[in-house]
Amino acid sequence: DAKTTQPTSMDCAEGRAANLPCNHSTISGNEYVYWYRQIHSQGPQYIIHGLKNNETNEMASLIITEDRKSSTLILPHATLRDTAVYYCIVRENTNAGKSTFGDGTTLTVKP
Amino acid sequence: DTEVTQTPKHLVMGMTNKKSLKCEQHMGHRAMYWYKQKAKKPPELMFVYSYEKLSINESVPSRFSPECPNSSLLNLHLHALQPEDSALYLCASSQEGQTTVCFGPGTRLLVL
Repeated sequence: DAKTTQPTSMDCAEGRAANLPCNHSTISGNEYVYWYRQIHSQGPQYIIHGLKNNETNEMASLIITEDRKSSTLILPHATLRDTAVYYCIVRENTNAGKSTFGDGTTLTVKP
Repeated sequence: DTEVTQTPKHLVMGMTNKKSLKCEQHMGHRAMYWYKQKAKKPPELMFVYSYEKLSINESVPSRFSPECPNSSLLNLHLHALQPEDSALYLCASSQEGQTTVCFGPGTRLLVL
């Protein structure tokens, strides 16, 4: 699995958009970009994933650059409950795939 | 049922004890995983089961012994653990050919 690089921490004001970047310059053609988050002492929670097109769901949007070497997770209206560690993972979409977590970004949403 | 459940939530054990962690899912997922997470670190993969057979062992010490009795259950048997094995143990599952991996809430283990 390709390696990912994320900033260690970010702050965001409540109600504003949170934009979390991820670099994955060694991504291969059949690898997807996944985002998970982990709220303190809970299990990781799936947010969104994509291959090359931008994706949106009820939680977030995922913007993947055309060369696929980086991506941005967007939480459009951050709330205090979005404070968590956000992990960007790159992996193939195969059964029993190994999800290798990087160090993630600690997002703190402030009132 | 769209969740992974784990029992117990917390476990304290001595270095000579034998204990087991249990994980259950009823989503029909055929891949199940054990991860270990130390404080302020990302989860690290330990084992992967695919169709009830062990497919990946990430060089985990033999004091951790996984077992998959059926497609819905995954156990992690613990014996002669060390204090440095204290961590959050996460179970997860996923569907064939994909996709999103669903994590349980974890068991927080303290080895004294």
